[in-house]
Amino acid sequence: EDQVTQSPEALRLQEGESSSLNCSYTVSGLRGLFWYRQDPGKGPEFLFTLYSAGEEKEKERLKATLTKKESFLHITAPKPEDSATYLCAVQASGGSYIPTFGRGTSLIVHP
Amino acid sequence: ETGVTQTPRHLVMGMTNKKSLKCEQHLGHNAMYWYKQSAKKPLELMFVYSLEERVENNSVPSRFSPECPNSSHLFLHLHTLQPEDSALYLCASSQDPGGELFFGEGSRLTVL
Repeated sequence: EDQVTQSPEALRLQEGESSSLNCSYTVSGLRGLFWYRQDPGKGPEFLFTLYSAGEEKEKERLKATLTKKESFLHITAPKPEDSATYLCAVQASGGSYIPTFGRGTSLIVHP
Repeated sequence: ETGVTQTPRHLVMGMTNKKSLKCEQHLGHNAMYWYKQSAKKPLELMFVYSLEERVENNSVPSRFSPECPNSSHLFLHLHTLQPEDSALYLCASSQDPGGELFFGEGSRLTVL
């Protein structure tokens, strides 16, 4: 059974304090790993897709990386507007194309 | 309008009511989804419609009934719900099945 575990469950940072969120996964074969951002009371917003180990993608203060067992979402010099819940989802190769979501990491950045 | 639009944004209903949630996507995508989001739980896929094929999560109770009349519209019909069905119901679409998901704002459902 595919499994996706995100850590930490919650993270509080001061503005400018860089950190990383983790998404570890267990799948028979990885087709794609997705990161989403979700603001309170809204639907998730797509951020990145990673397909193979070693791949990296960046968007503003966010950088996503991928290994064979986990993905990191690095946040450099975060601002209060980066506060949100970050969701990771994994899509396995073969079988169902439906991605499995993790529980998310709730990030709060204090000014 | 752009993106994925869901109505209503908020719904309060009794256990004997019948209501429907509506979703419309303006992205020209080929797949549409219903997800349930409850506090402290991962997003739970309920139904997928893709190229006229329906995939469903077998654990979803029959009191939830989806309808997809065309590739741009998706409904979730609700009947005889239970208080534990209170949650945020999210509609999403993707260009291809299993691709990047574009979500609506969600419909917050409260069952009394």
